[in-house]
Amino acid sequence: DAGVTQSPTHLIKTRGQQVTLRCSPKSGHDTVSWYQQALGQGPQFIFQYYEEEERQRGNFPDRFSGHQFPNYSSELNVNALLLGDSALYLCASSLIAGELFFGEGSRLTVL
Amino acid sequence: SQQGEEDPQALSIQEGENATMNCSYKTSINNLQWYRQNSGRGLVHLILIRSNEREKHSGRLRVTLDTSKKSSSLLITASRAADTASYFCATEGSARQLTFGSGTQLTVLP
Repeated sequence: DAGVTQSPTHLIKTRGQQVTLRCSPKSGHDTVSWYQQALGQGPQFIFQYYEEEERQRGNFPDRFSGHQFPNYSSELNVNALLLGDSALYLCASSLIAGELFFGEGSRLTVL
Repeated sequence: SQQGEEDPQALSIQEGENATMNCSYKTSINNLQWYRQNSGRGLVHLILIRSNEREKHSGRLRVTLDTSKKSSSLLITASRAADTASYFCATEGSARQLTFGSGTQLTVLP
């Protein structure tokens, strides 16, 4: 049983560009949450998707958007990248009221 | 912003010793969870303690929760070199999202 898978594992972008990160949830899970973890900090909640809708959102600007597909996989999009967007982006899946399982993350570097 | 603060920020001990990490938080919670992270990789769920529980055990892990003081502690007994990692507490409130602390970096020396 595959766990949560994220792609790409590493990527480098320049300021102003756009990036899309992908997440496949653990089999049987219907909820996907995204977190941003800056170096040396704890993860910060970006948003959560359930039934293809954004259910909750953390304190992140509109440059951060997402999508959930009918197969429960999800994408995180970040527009107009800033240097401060450099971080590890973590995807977590769960049932709507269950334990979170995290992927290994996508390391984004913005130059 | 971070909900909780872990203390200490870094901890270095010898193999076989016990490691204690503390976490304080600010708002009311439904539960508090502890996670482990190896060197910038994904988070692994260790243990969850509900707001109406005071202590919970899982293997070599012991977690306490004091809601009156808004604090929790994680004790790892008989530590091993493989326990070297960052440990985070995370609180879950009425909304189904986790708010993490800033973490404790534990180093267990062989």
